[in-house]
Amino acid sequence: DAGITQSPRHKVTETGTPVTLRCHQTENHRYMYWYRQDPGHGLRLIHYSYGVKDTDKGEVSDGYSVSRSKTEDFLLTLESATSSQTSVYFCAISESPGSGYGYTFGSGTRLTVV
Amino acid sequence: GQQLNQSPQSMFIQEGEDVSMNCTSSSIFNTWLWYKQDPGEGPVLLIALYKAGELTSNGRLTAQFGITRKDSFLNISASIPSDVGIYFCAGQNTGNQFYFGTGTSLTVIP
Repeated sequence: DAGITQSPRHKVTETGTPVTLRCHQTENHRYMYWYRQDPGHGLRLIHYSYGVKDTDKGEVSDGYSVSRSKTEDFLLTLESATSSQTSVYFCAISESPGSGYGYTFGSGTRLTVV
Repeated sequence: GQQLNQSPQSMFIQEGEDVSMNCTSSSIFNTWLWYKQDPGEGPVLLIALYKAGELTSNGRLTAQFGITRKDSFLNISASIPSDVGIYFCAGQNTGNQFYFGTGTSLTVIP
């Protein structure tokens, strides 16, 4: 067990409401990532963090914001959820991506926007 | 973003058969990874490749880093029911992130 947990595991929300997903790690890894997984698209990067308060956008960042106030927590917020944001969201952590060791993933959050 | 194409998109095979899948990119990568995702779970790292031409095994799994550095291959020998899942490739160049393929869904028929 790599010590990464996501909450909630499942959520149904209405269009236009704000939603926050949480990723918590106990590995003290510097890098944290949020991906979304959709059929035919694989895993697409939303945002990532390379340290406390240091974040950057990925390829599908529109409509999402993130915050990282502590090493162990990385929050993903949908300010006003839309049906196109229905997806499975994965958090990942990495000690040092430049070393090529890859990521460790959480178990995912299935979000449905109705 | 980088485009990684995996093929085939899905496979239905009989238990005991061998499996081959590949991943191609329009760009050169320095690292290739292969992940497996079980239903309802996150992807788990299977094999990591760091050098062009490298061939690495993990039990019944064998992966290769293509010599052009734009492709990678994964083979599974003597498939078993627990091999069912989605297999993803991922590539990294000089940046701080990996790019993921679209996945190959594997179904093993007992």
